[in-house]
Amino acid sequence: GIQVEQSPPDLILQEGANSTLRCNFSDSVNNLQWFHQNPWGQLINLFYIPSGTKQNGRLSATTVATERYSLLYISSSQTTDSGVYFCAVEQENSGYALNFGKGTSLLVTP
Amino acid sequence: AAGVIQSPRHLIKEKRETATLKCYPIPRHDTVYWYQQGPGQDPQFLISFYEKMQSDKGSIPDRFSAQQFSDYHSELNMSSLELGDSALYFCASSSGTGRSPLHFGNGTRLTVT
Repeated sequence: GIQVEQSPPDLILQEGANSTLRCNFSDSVNNLQWFHQNPWGQLINLFYIPSGTKQNGRLSATTVATERYSLLYISSSQTTDSGVYFCAVEQENSGYALNFGKGTSLLVTP
Repeated sequence: AAGVIQSPRHLIKEKRETATLKCYPIPRHDTVYWYQQGPGQDPQFLISFYEKMQSDKGSIPDRFSAQQFSDYHSELNMSSLELGDSALYFCASSSGTGRSPLHFGNGTRLTVT
């Protein structure tokens, strides 16, 4: 099956800092989504982004499908951004299920 | 806006017992997915349904079964529970298969003792 690698695995930021999270995948994909799992366990959809660039407030994401990677940018981080960020992909010609990476665990300190 | 509703939020069972988890998707969403997330792990896909038919199958044990009903809600039935089944079980829904954002419920935390 498709391999999804996220980096870095862990990240500690001071409030106000910017960061870039990366997701590499090993095969062509139909679908790529970014999720944030907050400390209470809720999984929130951040972006549906199989290709191109999208922005939502302080967050933006870019997927370069031909080079098999996606980036999630967090600007002016806040303590509420803490949690785990997952990249999930749907492999081309392999059903509709999303395969998750191991995630990037982010801690934003005051 | 309406979200995916899962019940119960918490469930404690003993080994070899059965459990039923319920999921009510976002209105007008026709696809339901079930995921299992162990402690410190990423979510693992179990099974999905589109228009009440199974559409995809992942690492779902034979002891588990699921279905989607005429009102689009879904149930995950788990039998002969094992300690290793303790996990957070998520249901998610989307409009259509794989071409729209996935929205997750708050999950059911199952503890098997």
